[in-house]
Amino acid sequence: QSALTQPASVSGSPGQSITISCTGTSSDVGGYNYVSWYQQHPGKAPKLMIYEVSNRPSGVSNRFSGSKSGNTASLTISGLQAEDEADYYCSSYTSSSTWVFGGGTKLTVL
Amino acid sequence: EVQLVESGGGLVQPGGSLRLSCAASGFTFSSYEMNWVRQAPGKGLEWVSYISSGGTIYYADSVKGRFTISRDNAKNSLYLQMNSLRAEDTAVYYCARDLVPAAYDYWGQGTLVTVSS
Repeated sequence: QSALTQPASVSGSPGQSITISCTGTSSDVGGYNYVSWYQQHPGKAPKLMIYEVSNRPSGVSNRFSGSKSGNTASLTISGLQAEDEADYYCSSYTSSSTWVFGGGTKLTVL
Repeated sequence: EVQLVESGGGLVQPGGSLRLSCAASGFTFSSYEMNWVRQAPGKGLEWVSYISSGGTIYYADSVKGRFTISRDNAKNSLYLQMNSLRAEDTAVYYCARDLVPAAYDYWGQGTLVTVSS
């Protein structure tokens, strides 16, 4: 159950687009379309932003989008806004019938 | 409105036990898969355990044999019995509802468990 690999930090200016990667293996990210992304502000519970690779829950801005290629999933945030500054985590179902998160990425809006 | 409210956290000595509860409301609890997810202070998220609506259960290797997940659909409640606690179990514990596998659409506010002598 090794954690999925995410960059520790990314940054961007308001209005720009950024992409956060999430790399796993064929036993998790690459093997299933059960990849999700969460946003977490300090002191708050995580919020689901993307599920099943590219689906957005009701109420989530269409500035957030997800994709997957092989063993790597990606979260793209377009039109970056100050309130997007937060920690972001990916998650995947695994072949062991368990679930694994990425180590998290801190997004800084410059 | 969907609500998940955890309780039962606190300070416990290494080797001790604690039982966490999660009270659910605003949805048909018995129809949903549920999870426990934890977050150590300043660290990332870690999936802990899952229980399906039908009672299928899975655990992370880090807690297998020490933690037990259960649910009481009549009381709309989810539980996590934690035994043989270790310092590395110190974390905020969240209960979370499954939308689809690996997608937790509702989370509680979390309850802090501190394992220390």
